[in-house]
Amino acid sequence: AAGVIQSPRHLIKEKRETATLKCYPIPRHDTVYWYQQGPGQDPQFLISFYEKMQSDKGSIPDRFSAQQFSDYHSELNMSSLELGDSALYFCASSPRAGAFYEQYFGPGTRLTVT
Amino acid sequence: AQTVTQSQPEMSVQEAETVTLSCTYDTSESDYYLFWYKQPPSRQMILVIRQEAYKQQNATENRFSVNFQKAAKSFSLKISDSQLGDAAMYFCAYAGETSGSRLTFGEGTQLTVNP
Repeated sequence: AAGVIQSPRHLIKEKRETATLKCYPIPRHDTVYWYQQGPGQDPQFLISFYEKMQSDKGSIPDRFSAQQFSDYHSELNMSSLELGDSALYFCASSPRAGAFYEQYFGPGTRLTVT
Repeated sequence: AQTVTQSQPEMSVQEAETVTLSCTYDTSESDYYLFWYKQPPSRQMILVIRQEAYKQQNATENRFSVNFQKAAKSFSLKISDSQLGDAAMYFCAYAGETSGSRLTFGEGTQLTVNP
């Protein structure tokens, strides 16, 4: 079965640089979620999109922005990177918003900021 | 705000034995879902089991079952016949009606399976 695809899997950036993370949801899933998992921590919700519109916003820094495109893939743009942004970034998808369907997680993008 | 608490940072079990991981949550919502996710060393987040709050019957998925005590706001995971492949970090998670579909996770329990 098709799974959530995230690219790149690993990314190394320097402070103050910009990074773009991409997420391709499972086919026919219209909702995408982004989570950030710091070292030794639980995942923290950043933002979600349903039918290309932002549906919910969590603890996402103003330096980050995201969008969902017409093909339902999503991109997380991170600017002015800080050392503290080093984390595992997960994308998850589900087939329908507003209902508590299971979220299927991608393998994550490991971002290292040096 | 909803909170999820896992009071056992680490647990260990002998292969083929049974282990129970604890989770408590705090919410004022009446409609919500609870989940257990497994995160092995690969860091992939894998859904293990889910429970709808309106269902009194405890969910079961093969060797995994839950003990859902709604009044006590408790949601424990029982793993029977533990296998080496069960070794992982286990996260309890909550999704409620007013918090959209976002998942709120507990701190996690690191499970070790001893041969």
